Amino acid sequence: EAGVVQSPRYKIIEKKQPVAFWCNPISGHNTLYWYRQNLGQGPELLIRYENEEAVDDSQLPKDRFSAERLKGVDSTLKIQPAELGDSAVYLCASSLGEGLLGYEQYFGPGTRLTVT
Amino acid sequence: DQQVKQNSPSLSVQEGRISILNCDYTNSMFDYFLWYKKYPAEGPTFLISISSIKDKNEDGRFTVFLNKSAKHLSLHIVPSQPGDSAVYFCAASGTGNQFYFGTGTSLTVIP
Repeated sequence: EAGVVQSPRYKIIEKKQPVAFWCNPISGHNTLYWYRQNLGQGPELLIRYENEEAVDDSQLPKDRFSAERLKGVDSTLKIQPAELGDSAVYLCASSLGEGLLGYEQYFGPGTRLTVT
Repeated sequence: DQQVKQNSPSLSVQEGRISILNCDYTNSMFDYFLWYKKYPAEGPTFLISISSIKDKNEDGRFTVFLNKSAKHLSLHIVPSQPGDSAVYFCAASGTGNQFYFGTGTSLTVIP
């Protein structure tokens, strides 16, 4: 079974440019998460989807960040315009969202963003 | 405000010995805890979990202990193997599917 797929793996952009990340979760996983991980820190939740509904986006900087999960499967995370402080690894994760094992999150490899 | 803390950034252990990784949390509403392992350039992978109704969960060489009164959990790896060298994150959740992660402990197992 394929894991969580993310692309691109690496992205280097100049500040004020837009950037987008794509995530394909594990088939059948209803819950999808976007995390940001700064160097030396743990992942921090940006947004959580239950199917196509964003149920927790309280940590998403809405002035420059946006996300969507069309049809409750793939998701994209966009930053426009990017700032130097946005340099981080952006992780996507998915989980079943219900049942005994529903909380176990499976992570993709992440997208390492460098803003210059 | 860091709700989940891993106060040891790094740990070195000889192969075959026990590795003990610690995690503290501040929110008494947390009721589900997980440990993840992360290799460089990869996403975290799920290792083991524990519900607050238990105080111990074991899976092969990995055992997680939960002390609710102290708001502390630990991961024991025995015997430690060189392939266990990675960064270990603990995570905690209260209601729903929102998890809070610690800052990680880098484990090095010396052959």
